[in-house]
Amino acid sequence: KQEVTQIPAALSVPEGENLVLNCSFTDSAIYNLQWFRQDPGKGLTSLLLIQSSQREQTSGRLNASLDKSSGRSTLYIAASQPGDSATYLCAVRPGGFKTIFGAGTRLFVKA
Amino acid sequence: GAGVSQTPSNKVTEKGKYVELRCDPISGHTALYWYRQSLGQGPEFLIYFQGTGAADDSGLPNDRFFAVRPEGSVSTLKIQRTERGDSAVYLCASSEDGSSYEQYFGPGTRLTVT
Repeated sequence: KQEVTQIPAALSVPEGENLVLNCSFTDSAIYNLQWFRQDPGKGLTSLLLIQSSQREQTSGRLNASLDKSSGRSTLYIAASQPGDSATYLCAVRPGGFKTIFGAGTRLFVKA
Repeated sequence: GAGVSQTPSNKVTEKGKYVELRCDPISGHTALYWYRQSLGQGPEFLIYFQGTGAADDSGLPNDRFFAVRPEGSVSTLKIQRTERGDSAVYLCASSEDGSSYEQYFGPGTRLTVT
């Protein structure tokens, strides 16, 4: 059974710091992996999608990597800003149609 | 263009009542998903539609939950005989198809069963 774990559960950093969020999954047979952002009381916003054949994706200050063999993905945020404060969710598609989410990392960036 | 919309944004109902939650996906998206999110947790998969048919309903918790998508666009999640444990945020997402494309989420419906 596929399980997704995100570490840390919460993180507080000063503005301008570079940071890394971690996601691990138990079964390496995945179709793709997606990182989302969720603001309080809101839906999810897609940040990056990595297909199983890819190693990383970049969008602006965000970079996500995927290592299927070790069951890990990282989301790197450069030069963090207070507006980056949100919950970041990692989700894997093991094949078929289900998507399995982690519980998220709550990020707070202090001005 | 318009994103995924969900109505109502909030629903309060009494235990035992019937509720319907609506999702309008992005125009042209053939794949539609329903999820349930409890406080402090990630979304939990409920059901997936490809077109009008439910291709995977293995996440529905029991037979009180049912979803339809009769014309391959709007979907309705129906919950019968609601229980307090059904209280959660119900999220809908759509994508261009069910395989490799990104999922786009709506704002969710917060359901509270009293």
